[in-house]
Amino acid sequence: RKEVEQDPGPFNVPEGATVAFNCTYSNSASQSFFWYRQDCRKEPKLLMSVYSSGNEDGRFTAQLNRASQYISLLIRDSKLSDSATYLCVAMDSSYKLIFGSGTRLLVRP
Amino acid sequence: SAVISQKPSRDICQRGTSLTIQCQVDSQVTMMFWYRQQPGQSLTLIATANQGSEATYESGFVIDKFPISRPNLTFSTLTVSNMSPEDSSIYLCSVEGVQSSYNEQFFGPGTRLTVL
Repeated sequence: RKEVEQDPGPFNVPEGATVAFNCTYSNSASQSFFWYRQDCRKEPKLLMSVYSSGNEDGRFTAQLNRASQYISLLIRDSKLSDSATYLCVAMDSSYKLIFGSGTRLLVRP
Repeated sequence: SAVISQKPSRDICQRGTSLTIQCQVDSQVTMMFWYRQQPGQSLTLIATANQGSEATYESGFVIDKFPISRPNLTFSTLTVSNMSPEDSSIYLCSVEGVQSSYNEQFFGPGTRLTVL
């Protein structure tokens, strides 16, 4: 079983749609969680850190459920520019980042 | 966040040769890391580059194949030794954010390596 699992997609949605990505992690000792965005042929860029109570940044909302070892990312009012691969990441107790395989999002006009 | 640069941005190399990749940060950082992203896959940590001591390698990665230097708090190198086509990948360095509360990491632009 992978340490961090994501649905690879692709999710193909129209502009303005709301889309949700889910992620599960297997290591209950994981300390911190993040969502990164990676555009084609570019490096991953930090989108959000995921706080235990859930947090929102504009159109993006992240939630963490430690009991279920589950993380989610919600994108509201999708824009064409949101098209990318979204990487779910867990950090273990030695500050090592464990990456999921990513979920591809395609936002169409 | 810190500004991170990598050199070279890309290279095409012959089998059996070695390539050294440089990572430069515009501020002093404690933690620097080297990752690999193989075609169509996600990122895998190679090692943590420790200043003043040997790097800490992850399972499946060894110092003879991926020697790392960390001479100071702003610079690190990763060498891919005795390359084979299986080493074709993107190599990325990352640093822990300065004054970060959640130990966020930020990535350099990557080095795209093709081995023929």
